[in-house]
Amino acid sequence: EAQVTQNPRYLITVTGKKLTVTCSQNMNHEYMSWYRQDPGLGLRQIYYSMNVEVTDKGDVPEGYKVSRKEKRNFPLILESPSPNQTSLYFCASSRGGGTSNYEQYFGPGTRLTVT
Amino acid sequence: AQKVTQAQTEISVVEKEDVTLDCVYETRDTTYYLFWYKQPPSGELVFLIRRNSFDEQNEISGRYSWNFQKSTSSFNFTITASQVVDSAVYFCALSEEWAGYQKVTFGTGTKLQVIP
Repeated sequence: EAQVTQNPRYLITVTGKKLTVTCSQNMNHEYMSWYRQDPGLGLRQIYYSMNVEVTDKGDVPEGYKVSRKEKRNFPLILESPSPNQTSLYFCASSRGGGTSNYEQYFGPGTRLTVT
Repeated sequence: AQKVTQAQTEISVVEKEDVTLDCVYETRDTTYYLFWYKQPPSGELVFLIRRNSFDEQNEISGRYSWNFQKSTSSFNFTITASQVVDSAVYFCALSEEWAGYQKVTFGTGTKLQVIP
């Protein structure tokens, strides 16, 4: 089954304790992205990756890191989480880039609470 | 900078009514893509439609239709004869591509409640 998986689905942590949210897709997609969803703000793009070793900032990259060492994986790293990073996080993937921008397939979401 | 505005925060309709969700976008690019996604109460995000900037044909898929007008920078979504299962948050999104990079901007979403 074609899918995007995220782990963990729920996480409660404390300020300053480094954490990683994993994302993996099995569709051989080049493009992957992370979003956060907050009430009234919709989805905001944190980082995206056009392909292995190619990443770029979205609209709200502060406080986050990403890496793309393998095509299927795109982990999101919070080096020192703060309460304002409490949010619902979605990973997504899509075909290509290049001259055509395709629809994204989303993971189930990770609800993060930072106390 | 690209921007997507969904001015309707919440809409309530009675079942079987038609409803239109508005989406207005801003971009400096001549090549761009527009999308609609649905987020039902269960929380997953589901792709509905993709349209590129060179294709202004309206599209109909069952009870769903989309009206793309470049002249007004709008990409509106109409549900005909709404059903309770249409209750969800709907997001419009814009994707630009330049120099091999592809950034995506979502609107803030419109929450649709269909009352039986």
